[in-house]
Amino acid sequence: ILNVEQSPQSLHVQEGDSTNFTCSFPSSNFYALHWYRWETAKSPEALFVMTLNGDEKKKGRISATLNTKEGYSYLYIKGSQPEDSATYLCANFGNEKLTFGTGTRLTIIP
Amino acid sequence: DSGVTQTPKHLITATGQRVTLRCSPRSGDLSVYWYQQSLDQGLQFLIQYYNGEERAKGNILERFSAQQFPDLHSELNLSSLELGDSALYFCASSAGDLGGEQFFGPGTRLTVL
Repeated sequence: ILNVEQSPQSLHVQEGDSTNFTCSFPSSNFYALHWYRWETAKSPEALFVMTLNGDEKKKGRISATLNTKEGYSYLYIKGSQPEDSATYLCANFGNEKLTFGTGTRLTIIP
Repeated sequence: DSGVTQTPKHLITATGQRVTLRCSPRSGDLSVYWYQQSLDQGLQFLIQYYNGEERAKGNILERFSAQQFPDLHSELNLSSLELGDSALYFCASSAGDLGGEQFFGPGTRLTVL
């Protein structure tokens, strides 16, 4: 993996269902993995910054895991709500700069 | 509200012109980052300043330059503007200079006609 890749590109989920998506990043020159939530017409807002292999972070119904050896992170949303609709960006901090993926656009269907 | 401010919110100008975008970081943050988001592109890192010094450089064109002043606010100067420079320009700030959480401003929408 040379760049930060996120999948899927977009996702429609029924309200109340749980969902997850993936971020893949180069495992060499890794320093930190960021997750941001970006709502339409707003600016990106930090969810998590993770640095340790095996790390798991949680904020309310949203959680993330990190595997630095294989270069991936998962973001989980439990019991999706309409306000979870947003683009979720991950970014790899390595070589002194933050490289963003193109995001997963999540739409929650009421 | 992240605490990061950017001015102006919108800017419309013509090709060949020069503009300056301004960013004030959150109180206490020493790092300022500039990003460009064009249509159908992800956030592209341009440049980072830490406590007045250039810290890291990304895909910043030679026509673009930036600086961070003693009061820690930053300016991004874009010159000889082209149609392709039309984009949303974000500034972000963080406390340190190595990988910490970044707080984004509301962005400046630049339209080059």
